[in-house]
Amino acid sequence: NAGVTQTPKFRILKIGQSMTLQCAQDMNHNYMYWYRQDPGMGLKLIYYSVGAGITDKGEVPNGYNVSRSTTEDFPLRLELAAPSQTSVYFCASSTDATDTQYFGPGTRLTVL
Amino acid sequence: GESVGLHLPTLSVQEGDNSIINCAYSNSASDYFIWYKQESGKGPQFIIDIRSNMDKRQGQRVTVLLNKTVKHLSLQIAATQPGDSAVYFCAERSGGYNKLIFGAGTRLAVHP
Repeated sequence: NAGVTQTPKFRILKIGQSMTLQCAQDMNHNYMYWYRQDPGMGLKLIYYSVGAGITDKGEVPNGYNVSRSTTEDFPLRLELAAPSQTSVYFCASSTDATDTQYFGPGTRLTVL
Repeated sequence: GESVGLHLPTLSVQEGDNSIINCAYSNSASDYFIWYKQESGKGPQFIIDIRSNMDKRQGQRVTVLLNKTVKHLSLQIAATQPGDSAVYFCAERSGGYNKLIFGAGTRLAVHP
């Protein structure tokens, strides 16, 4: 199993550009999550999904959108990139609401 | 790799000593707590967890202690090794859907 994979590893965007951060897991996990991590801070939940077709907001959803058309994939979309979205983004997955969350390697995004 | 936690509190220990990393959590209703280890350029890696109906749990070289009276969590690492050098995060599950709230993290530096 590859576990949780994320692409790209690094990206630089200009203000106002859009992009999609990809996340995939091959563990047949129902739950998937997107977090952002700013320097000196813990992770903050952006969005999560409890299964294909079901998504919900986390702590800091503004400026982001998600979709979950399959169990495996959970892409995160930034429509109008802003400098405040410069961060490291982590995707995670778990079997269910009680299981440990397993994290991907992260995507470092810089918005200039 | 990505720099995580530029201004985190740092615990410096000698190789072979025991390490204790502390964490204060926020919600007295949280029912589940986890410690994650994050090495530079990588996603958080699960170390050990504990449920709120326990006050101690042991793993291999690690022990987690939970004090619900003062909302305090600690991670003890026995015989600390250079490979233990990383940033350590505690997280609490508060509310449904396995939503985790992360602490800011502590950097552990192990010196030979």
